[in-house]
Amino acid sequence: QKEVEQNSGPLSVPEGAIASLNCTYSDRGSQSFFWYRQYSGKSPELIMFIYSNGDKEDGRFTAQLNKASQYVSLLIRDSQPSDSATYLCAVTGYTGGFKTIFGAGTRLFVKA
Amino acid sequence: DVKVTQSSRYLVKRTGEKVFLECVQDMDHENMFWYRQDPGLGLRLIYFSYDVKMKEKGDIPEGYSVSREKKERFSLILESASTNQTSMYLCASIGGGARYQETQYFGPGTRLLVL
Repeated sequence: QKEVEQNSGPLSVPEGAIASLNCTYSDRGSQSFFWYRQYSGKSPELIMFIYSNGDKEDGRFTAQLNKASQYVSLLIRDSQPSDSATYLCAVTGYTGGFKTIFGAGTRLFVKA
Repeated sequence: DVKVTQSSRYLVKRTGEKVFLECVQDMDHENMFWYRQDPGLGLRLIYFSYDVKMKEKGDIPEGYSVSREKKERFSLILESASTNQTSMYLCASIGGGARYQETQYFGPGTRLLVL
């Protein structure tokens, strides 16, 4: 079992719709959770981080964390074609050493 | 803004060559990382360093070594390049303090092709 799992996609949504990206993780000791966006041929850039259960909103983006279910999600409201990218989920823990594990990413296409 | 730079965007090397990839960050960050990224596999940690002259193996250190002689610079070395080391290499850095709560800042990446 992979330590951080994401649906590889592609996920296709029409412009203006809500895109929902999901991520599960296996280490219950994980403490911080990140969503990165990566455009083709570019390096990842941070969208949001969350470390408490519940929702965290930043503009059109909402991160949701449920530690009991070991589940973190990213919602993108009013999706735009410029949101088309690969979204990486990353999970960080500090059990036996500082470590961040990345998921393989979900490809999102927003159709105009 | 944090800036992480990598010495090359694209490299083509031959099997058996020694390859140096350099990474420099300008924010006095303590922690630096080298990843490789391959389709379907995501980012995999090769080595990381939490201080000058300190290094720790990541998940896939075989065939690689690193050097950190100065705080701002972290080098990845492929001792004898092989075709299975063809990949995108990404450097990242994080500041100190509550490390596990801080985001990683990535360099632009080096796409390495080994022939």
